[in-house]
Parts: sequence; C-alpha cells; structure tokens
Amino acid sequence: DTAVSQTPKYLVTQMGNDKSIKCEQNLGHDTMYWYKQDSKKFLKIMFSYNNKELIINETVPNRFSPKSPDKAHLNLHINSLELGDSAVYFCASSLGTQPQHFGDGTRLSIL
Amino acid sequence: QKEVEQDPGPLSVPEGAIVSLNCTYSNSAFQYFMWYRQYSRKGPELLMYTYSSGNKEDGRFTAQVDKSSKYISLFIRDSQPSDSATYLCAMFRGTALIFGKGTTLSVSS
Repeated sequence: DTAVSQTPKYLVTQMGNDKSIKCEQNLGHDTMYWYKQDSKKFLKIMFSYNNKELIINETVPNRFSPKSPDKAHLNLHINSLELGDSAVYFCASSLGTQPQHFGDGTRLSIL
Repeated sequence: QKEVEQDPGPLSVPEGAIVSLNCTYSNSAFQYFMWYRQYSRKGPELLMYTYSSGNKEDGRFTAQVDKSSKYISLFIRDSQPSDSATYLCAMFRGTALIFGKGTTLSVSS
C-alpha cells in the first residue's frame, strides 16, 4: 500500500536515448510534482500538475515532457538524454497546498 | 542570493545530544515552513509543518520559525542513531516547494 510509487527505481541508459518514468499515487491527492535531485543532493521543482492541468513549469529543457493521464498518475518523458540529466527524479503529491508526499525516486544514469 | 540557505554540514554528534538545524530565507512571501528527513536512497518524508512564527513540538522534535529574522530551526532532543539522515528545510513559493540544500546529520552510539 505504497502512497507514491515510481517506476523504474533505477534506469541506466545511453546518451541520446528517450526514456519515461512513471508515477502513481493512491492518496486521493489532486496535485502532483516532479523534482530533480542532483549529485549534491539539491532538490529542485521541475513541474506541477493540478487536476491534470500543468501549473508549474520551471526552467526545464523542452526535452522533458510531463504527462498526466488522470489525477493519480504523472509520467515524465525525456528525449535525447544528456549526461547532465543523470540525477535522482522524485515524484510527489499533495492535496492543494498541503505538505507533499514523496516517492522513493528514480535513479537515472546516463552512460 | 539563494532563496533558501542551509548549511550542508556534515554534522556529527554523540547519541543523546541536542541537535540544532537551521535555515535562512530571503523571500518574505514564504508562509508555510516544513522540515523533511531523507534517509539514503529514500524519498524525503515530512517531519514538521508550521505556518506562523513561534514553536511547534512533536515528540523529540521542535520546529521554530522567526519570520522577522527570516530564520527557521529544527531541534532534535535526545538524538538517536536512527536520526542519522539528511534534513531538508522547505517553504512554499506559490504551489512549489523550495528546498534548502539539506544538512547531513550523523549520530554515533
């Protein structure tokens, strides 16, 4: 009964490939987020969706495209992967502006 | 100047010590303040959530907010080895959480 689950947990791929990360929450929350945590552990917001509508799009390359098929799911597709994309990507969810609950992350390594 | 500043440490203390973790922020529009704990290879988990200036206590943890100084603190009493983790302060800008860089804490038995 995991609250926020991400798949896959680990992703190792070559530069230039396209990959997707999936996120699902079973908390009944209406807002979902993607964060990137770099090698120095700094956690930074990338996107936020509220009721399937994009509400936050920080300065992220347009190679990153989030998609929310419904309120419980938020996926992240990354085109033409670059070395600098290596990081841990966290999905989170919340009810409005209540505190956010995080998944355990997807560790992306670009070779 | 970064919106949220947090000393990354590392901070090492013996078991039973009182730990003080701090963040400063520059944006006076921040209203909601949180502390998250992150264990290695895990996602951040919420520890404390406060809105107003003052203290909020939950077991061994006390969160303190001073809006006039733009300064927040987390105190851990009777620290345990299981408290060894990275502690992240966070605050809302609109609907986005802005995080500090995190302080790595190690409690030795």
